[in-house]
Amino acid sequence: DQQVKQNSPSLSVQEGRISILNCDYTNSMFDYFLWYKKYPAEGPTFLISISSIKDKNEDGRFTVFLNKSAKHLSLHIVPSQPGDSAVYFCAARTYKYIFGTGTRLKVLA
Amino acid sequence: EAGVAQSPRYKIIEKRQSVAFWCNPISGHATLYWYQQILGQGPKLLIQFQNNGVVDDSQLPKDRFSAERLKGVDSTLKIQPAKLEDSAVYLCASSLVGGGAPNTGELFFGEGSRLTVL
Repeated sequence: DQQVKQNSPSLSVQEGRISILNCDYTNSMFDYFLWYKKYPAEGPTFLISISSIKDKNEDGRFTVFLNKSAKHLSLHIVPSQPGDSAVYFCAARTYKYIFGTGTRLKVLA
Repeated sequence: EAGVAQSPRYKIIEKRQSVAFWCNPISGHATLYWYQQILGQGPKLLIQFQNNGVVDDSQLPKDRFSAERLKGVDSTLKIQPAKLEDSAVYLCASSLVGGGAPNTGELFFGEGSRLTVL
């Protein structure tokens, strides 16, 4: 039972362009959604989150959009930089956190 | 502020041996989590502590895994005996309260302990 899905295992984007990472969920009881970034041999680091009562949250180059009717969220990175190359996990919270399987982003210089 | 500390960073053992991982959360964080991340998958919650009490251990394979958080601070995760499928990164995370950081819901992760079972 995979309640949080990231259907794209990998994504390649040119430097300076927009990266869009997607995440779908099934449980309407999730009240918070988070994005984490993970470099090899390091722990996940928090990027940005959004409450279920909002539809957009922005922090610098990172924006998260939430579409509750479609049970879909996306992370936009503009402009993409080579240092953004990492694995990105979305996570959703009820009384515990459920993580997706991750999307590997590669930003090409 | 010091982050979540974990040790060892890497461990290689043979199947049927035992292993223990240690986690020291951020000072003052009441909630501590152990996650298992198998290659190509997302982190999966093994156990969640609130102070020294267990909140959720529904996905902990209790026949071989055990965890404790004595005095509500440090925690130890043990595997005995290990199986090949236990090869994974074991991530410890902490938060001030059970719902993560106020306003963001953030969990703070350590660097993880990578286990290889041969």
